[in-house]
Amino acid sequence: EAQVTQNPRYLITVTGKKLTVTCSQNMNHEYMSWYRQDPGLGLRQIYYSMNVEVTDKGDVPEGYKVSRKEKRNFPLILESPSPNQTSLYFCASSVTGGWIEKLFFGSGTQLSVL
Amino acid sequence: GNSVTQMEGPVTLSEEAFLTINCTYTATGYPSLFWYVQYPGEGLQLLLKATKADDKGSNKGFEATYRKETTSFHLEKGSVQVSDSAVYFCALSADFGNEKLTFGTGTRLTIIP
Repeated sequence: EAQVTQNPRYLITVTGKKLTVTCSQNMNHEYMSWYRQDPGLGLRQIYYSMNVEVTDKGDVPEGYKVSRKEKRNFPLILESPSPNQTSLYFCASSVTGGWIEKLFFGSGTQLSVL
Repeated sequence: GNSVTQMEGPVTLSEEAFLTINCTYTATGYPSLFWYVQYPGEGLQLLLKATKADDKGSNKGFEATYRKETTSFHLEKGSVQVSDSAVYFCALSADFGNEKLTFGTGTRLTIIP
């Protein structure tokens, strides 16, 4: 089954404790991206990757890191989480980044930073 | 920059009612337009899309027409069902080379039996 898998589904942590949210897709997609969803703000792009070893900032990259060492994986790293990073996070992938014709989304990771 | 404005929610309708969710956009160039749906506890799924002016996207009884003159992409359905209860997002993708979807804030729809 074609899918984007995120883990964990829920995460509660404390300020300053490094964490990683994993994302994996099994569709051989070149393009992957991270979004955060906040009430009243919709979804905002954090980072994206056009292909292996190619990443770039989205609209709200501060406080986040990403890496793309393999085509299927695109982890989101919070080196020193803060309460304003409490949010619902979605990973997404697409065949190519040239035209975002159809993004496939993961089920989301609800992060709470205390 | 690019932006999408959706009607404020939440929207509550009775089953079999007519649905309209308004969406207008601001973009440079010639964007593609999308409606995504998010069911409770799930990620977003593409509902329909339109890639050029006057195109009509349709799926599962939902329709939306790309109106360049009014910069709009309103979502409509003639007879809603309880299973349509979800959050609906309007989004756009600008010219080739822009690797981002710009989303509206979402409209929560609840259908009452």
